[in-house]
Amino acid sequence: GQNIDQPTEMTATEGAIVQINCTYQTSGFNGLFWYQQHAGEAPTFLSYNVLDGLEEKGRFSSFLSRSKGYSYLLLKELQMKDSASYLCAVMDSNYQLIWGAGTKLIIKP
Amino acid sequence: IAGITQAPTSQILAAGRRMTLRCTQDMRHNAMYWYRQDLGLGLRLIHYSNTAGTTGKGEVPDGYSVSRANTDDFPLTLASAVPSQTSVYFCASSEGTDSTSEQFFGPGTRLTVL
Repeated sequence: GQNIDQPTEMTATEGAIVQINCTYQTSGFNGLFWYQQHAGEAPTFLSYNVLDGLEEKGRFSSFLSRSKGYSYLLLKELQMKDSASYLCAVMDSNYQLIWGAGTKLIIKP
Repeated sequence: IAGITQAPTSQILAAGRRMTLRCTQDMRHNAMYWYRQDLGLGLRLIHYSNTAGTTGKGEVPDGYSVSRANTDDFPLTLASAVPSQTSVYFCASSEGTDSTSEQFFGPGTRLTVL
């Protein structure tokens, strides 16, 4: 079967750095996405990786290792507004997104 | 403002009733999707449409139907609602179906079936 694993919840301090991991087992691979979802709101796109390596976009970076079925989202200089759920999703061989359950990130002052 | 709208925002429905969730996008995206999101689970694809006039089944299609008569609209119908269909429903769209197309989400419909 297809499976996306990520931690259920993480806590970090304002101004710090946090890394959210995602491991996956899917039928085929056509890219990995990270989305942010604030409570009660819709998911919004953060990043996309299809090749191994690190993609940096401002305070957010995303890393992919296809051989290990592993990705992480790195958030730097954490702000209170970063409190949200972070969803990892993999596009499978049918070009459909398989979603993880999400990681709820709690930022403390 | 370009984007995706969904209606209603929330609904309480008696079991056995028929319900249509509406979704409209004005970005001229080819592909549209319906997901349900339940606590502790990832988003699950119900139905999708790669282009106007075509639809396909996702991971959890039973009890739901869709139509795609034009590019902009993609309604989801529950023919006879059951309590297990209590969920938050998100409509999404993407420009294409290739791997680089990010999906844009509507604000969601919170549905409770009693």
